[in-house]
Amino acid sequence: EVQLVESGGGLVKPGRSLRLSCTASGFTFGDYAMSWFRQAPGKGLEWVGFIRSKAYGGTTEYAASVKGRFTISRDDSKSIAYLQMNSLKTEDTAVYYCTRGDYYFQHWGQGTLVTVSS
Amino acid sequence: SYVLTQPPSVSVAPGQTARITCGGNNIGSKSVHWYQQKPGQAPVLVVYDDSDRPSGIPERFSGSNSGNTATLTISRVEAGDEADYYCQVWDSSSVVFGGGTKLTVL
Repeated sequence: EVQLVESGGGLVKPGRSLRLSCTASGFTFGDYAMSWFRQAPGKGLEWVGFIRSKAYGGTTEYAASVKGRFTISRDDSKSIAYLQMNSLKTEDTAVYYCTRGDYYFQHWGQGTLVTVSS
Repeated sequence: SYVLTQPPSVSVAPGQTARITCGGNNIGSKSVHWYQQKPGQAPVLVVYDDSDRPSGIPERFSGSNSGNTATLTISRVEAGDEADYYCQVWDSSSVVFGGGTKLTVL
């Protein structure tokens, strides 16, 4: 069974950094791209970015709203994907989800809440 | 960037058919995926590649896509179908969602 568990969320001040983790199990992690999404309170789903598998170069793509501030990385030996968030803004407040894949998304974590507030 | 347009809300009586649209420029040339999200829960994929259903999704959920509109159809609507529904496509190495449609079961 595919399982994805996000962690690392919490309360952080504007301008600070936070790193989220997505721990995967139930599949060969290195074979898949991994994506991050977010959902601000009461709002719709927003794509954050993804990282391709090493077989496809391990490259990344980001939404314009986070490009240059957020970085996605992966540790295939640990089956973990990371979302490094720098220069956080109040508008980054959201539940952050990780998913498997980069095309459509059948497997989601439960999400982790990030609150950016002074 | 590519834009997907969904109606904010759709209402339907139990047992009837709900149709949720997703508009986009020549969306018929793309593959559309649909998600259901209930309050406090992660999204659930209900249709992928326009009209395919993941295992475990009832046959009552179906999809179509042509021209400038994709449609998610839910037949014999049940109270448990009340949720937000999002369409999604892949465009130019990015993932695009519609704004979401709240389905209310009267």
